[in-house]
Amino acid sequence: EAGVTQFPSHSVIEKGQTVTLRCDPISGHDNLYWYRRVMGKEIKFLLHFVKESKQDESGMPNNRFLAERTGGTYSTLKVQPAELEDSGVYFCASSLREGLLETQYFGPGTRLLVL
Amino acid sequence: EDQVTQSPEALRLQEGESSSLNCSYTVSGLRGLFWYRQDPGKGPEFLFTLYSAGEEKEKERLKATLTKKESFLHITAPKPEDSATYLCAVPSGWETSGSRLTFGEGTQLTVNP
Repeated sequence: EAGVTQFPSHSVIEKGQTVTLRCDPISGHDNLYWYRRVMGKEIKFLLHFVKESKQDESGMPNNRFLAERTGGTYSTLKVQPAELEDSGVYFCASSLREGLLETQYFGPGTRLLVL
Repeated sequence: EDQVTQSPEALRLQEGESSSLNCSYTVSGLRGLFWYRQDPGKGPEFLFTLYSAGEEKEKERLKATLTKKESFLHITAPKPEDSATYLCAVPSGWETSGSRLTFGEGTQLTVNP
């Protein structure tokens, strides 16, 4: 079974540019999460989709971040315009809908560097 | 706000030298605790779920335990391939389907041959 995949693996952009990250969850997983780890800090939650609906977006830092999950399959996270503090590793995770406590499986991450 | 603290930040062991990693947490109603392993350049890899105080889980040289305030990851006779960052996380929020995870900063374990 294929795991969670993310694209690109690395991205280097200049401040003010736009970047779009993609996540393909494990097939059949309705839950999809985005997390971010900035240098020296812990992994932090950004948002949670159930199928195509945003269940919880309390971790989104500001309105420069836009996440979508069209058709309840893959998801994109767009940063526009990017700022220096957006640099970090962006992880996607997916899980089955198993009630209140499900196992989240993580992708390899996208390493974003904003110069 | 839920908080997870892991210690030590880094741990260096000799091959075969057993030790423990600590994860202490402050949550409003613990529903479980997760341990993940993360290798450089990769995403977190699921190891264990602990559901309630007193529970223990084992996998090869790893054993995870849970009390009402903390969890331990015991590593018995580690090998160099056990070198990784070990992450602890708790589910936060009370949603009908799925919960975001609150992570600790991790313990970076290095096992020297």
